[in-house]
Amino acid sequence: AQSVTQLGSHVSVSEGALVLLRCNYSSSVPPYLFWYVQYPNQGLQLLLKYTSAATLVKGINGFEAEFKKSETSFHLTKPSAHMSDAAEYFCAVSDRPGGYNKLIFGAGTRLAVHP
Amino acid sequence: DAGVTQSPTHLIKTRGQHVTLRCSPISGHKSVSWYQQVLGQGPQFIFQYYEKEERGRGNFPDRFSARQFPNYSSELNVNALLLGDSALYLCASSLEPDLREKLFFGSGTQLSVL
Repeated sequence: AQSVTQLGSHVSVSEGALVLLRCNYSSSVPPYLFWYVQYPNQGLQLLLKYTSAATLVKGINGFEAEFKKSETSFHLTKPSAHMSDAAEYFCAVSDRPGGYNKLIFGAGTRLAVHP
Repeated sequence: DAGVTQSPTHLIKTRGQHVTLRCSPISGHKSVSWYQQVLGQGPQFIFQYYEKEERGRGNFPDRFSARQFPNYSSELNVNALLLGDSALYLCASSLEPDLREKLFFGSGTQLSVL
């Protein structure tokens, strides 16, 4: 069965510092991997997704993630944090991208950005 | 263009009651999925409907049911509410049923069961 582990339920960085949010997955088949962001009182917004093409995926708002099969990881990074990046971030996996769109989400990481 | 709209935004019910949550997908989207997000956890898949047929079901009891209408809007019904059903219920829509298509989420319905 697929699963997602997000290391660190809370991450705090200074404005301008590197953002690194960790995600490890398990899947018996090549997965599709996703990062979503959730702002307070809003739904989820797709940041980026990996679909077995380039292993380095660039998303919106300056975020990117690298798929590392040997480490079963898909960590999210941003070189320089902005105050507006403060939100909850979810990593998700699906091993049936051609079937139906069931996503398995991690528990989330809340990112705080301080001046 | 309007995004995915859900109603109501907030709802308070008591144990044992029944609830109906509604979702209107983005115009042209034929697939609707429902997720439950308990406080402090990631969303959990409940159902997916495509062209009015159930395409997938998560690990939820039979108290949970859903349907999709000819205009592609959807309802999620929960019977015999339990305290543990308190959660944010998210609806998501996409053009087609698989994940090669981008999934768009609504802002959710916050259900509180007292």
